[in-house]
Amino acid sequence: SQQGEEDPQALSIQEGENATMNCSYKTSINNLQWYRQNSGRGLVHLILIRSNEREKHSGRLRVTLDTSKKSSSLLITASRAADTASYFCATDTLQGAQKLVFGQGTRLTINP
Amino acid sequence: EAGVAQSPRYKIIEKRQSVAFWCNPISGHATLYWYQQILGQGPKLLIQFQNNGVVDDSQLPKDRFSAERLKGVDSTLKIQPAKLEDSAVYLCASSTTSHVKTQYFGPGTRLLVL
Repeated sequence: SQQGEEDPQALSIQEGENATMNCSYKTSINNLQWYRQNSGRGLVHLILIRSNEREKHSGRLRVTLDTSKKSSSLLITASRAADTASYFCATDTLQGAQKLVFGQGTRLTINP
Repeated sequence: EAGVAQSPRYKIIEKRQSVAFWCNPISGHATLYWYQQILGQGPKLLIQFQNNGVVDDSQLPKDRFSAERLKGVDSTLKIQPAKLEDSAVYLCASSTTSHVKTQYFGPGTRLLVL
């Protein structure tokens, strides 16, 4: 079953604009990760945020985590055409075996 | 550092046929995962190995899917017999330990069942 739900399912913006994607989850987590998937490729890890962290930065990426609302957001600033991809959040839950549960993803299109 | 290798990249078979996928993880990675990704969805974990032992196979359809990781290095995933709904991308990933950290994914095998 899907733990994370990304919102929106699809997002189309102009190059240079900022892109924000949201992820909501249901059960308590150890950490939350964001991955990128280019068309026809495997997933690439972007960033991991632990349950006791509220914000994390990596280059043009900013991730926030609100455990009280069970939600996370991924912000990509100054978007580029190369950022066109699907973005997935994945949660490492406290329940059961430690494994990642992926959401449905947000399909991001950057228009030149 | 070489990434996760998978083969074949594409496979087309007819329903009720069998198919096998191969994965070679990053050298030294003890944990290996197989995921199924249906078009438009996120990856779903099928099976997780720690060295050559199974950690989690709760979502593996065991009546038709099997996987092994002999010698704790490369792994094969088999489907026999295949159904139309098995059409998907099969992703292999590896990580350093069974404690969830960053997973490194291969390019995937795209399976089409006709």
